[in-house]
Amino acid sequence: AQSVTQLGSHVSVSEGALVLLRCNYSSSVPPYLFWYVQYPNQGLQLLLKYTTGATLVKGINGFEAEFKKSETSFHLTKPSAHMSDAAEYFCAVSEGRNTDKLIFGTGTRLQVFP
Amino acid sequence: SQTIHQWPATLVQPVGSPLSLECTVEGTSNPNLYWYRQAAGRGLQLLFYSVGIGQISSEVPQNLSASRPQDRQFILSSKKLLLSDSGFYLCAWSRLAERYEQYFGPGTRLTVT
Repeated sequence: AQSVTQLGSHVSVSEGALVLLRCNYSSSVPPYLFWYVQYPNQGLQLLLKYTTGATLVKGINGFEAEFKKSETSFHLTKPSAHMSDAAEYFCAVSEGRNTDKLIFGTGTRLQVFP
Repeated sequence: SQTIHQWPATLVQPVGSPLSLECTVEGTSNPNLYWYRQAAGRGLQLLFYSVGIGQISSEVPQNLSASRPQDRQFILSSKKLLLSDSGFYLCAWSRLAERYEQYFGPGTRLTVT
């Protein structure tokens, strides 16, 4: 069965510092991987996705993530945090394209301090 | 372009009352549709999904039901709400050809008192 683990329910960084949000997954088949962002009282917005091809994927708002099969990881990074990055971030996995379901992690709340 | 609507945005209902939340999608046809519930600290729980009119799959046994009366309309219902039904309810859609990529609505905050 698929599962997603996000280490750290809360992460705090200073403005301008590196952002690193961790995601590990388990899947019996090559996965498709996603990061979503959620601002307070809003729906989820897709930040980036990995399906096939290049393992380093770039998303919106300067975020990127790298698929590392050997580590079963898909960590989200941003070189320099901005106050507007404060939000909750969800990692999700699906078992390829022939599935109707995404499995979500429990989320990481990012705080950015001035 | 495609848009997804949910209403109401917020709802406060007493225990034992009925519930109806509505989700509609514009700008696409034959989408897959999903209902999720988000509880604090627990991430997103898939409740129901639908691949077509009248076709509903339930992921967890519960006090809720879903219906899809039209291609782009998805309704979440309950006959009698429980306190544990409180949460943030999100509707999402995906294309048939890219079912793995889901797009979310703005959500409904339900408080059962």
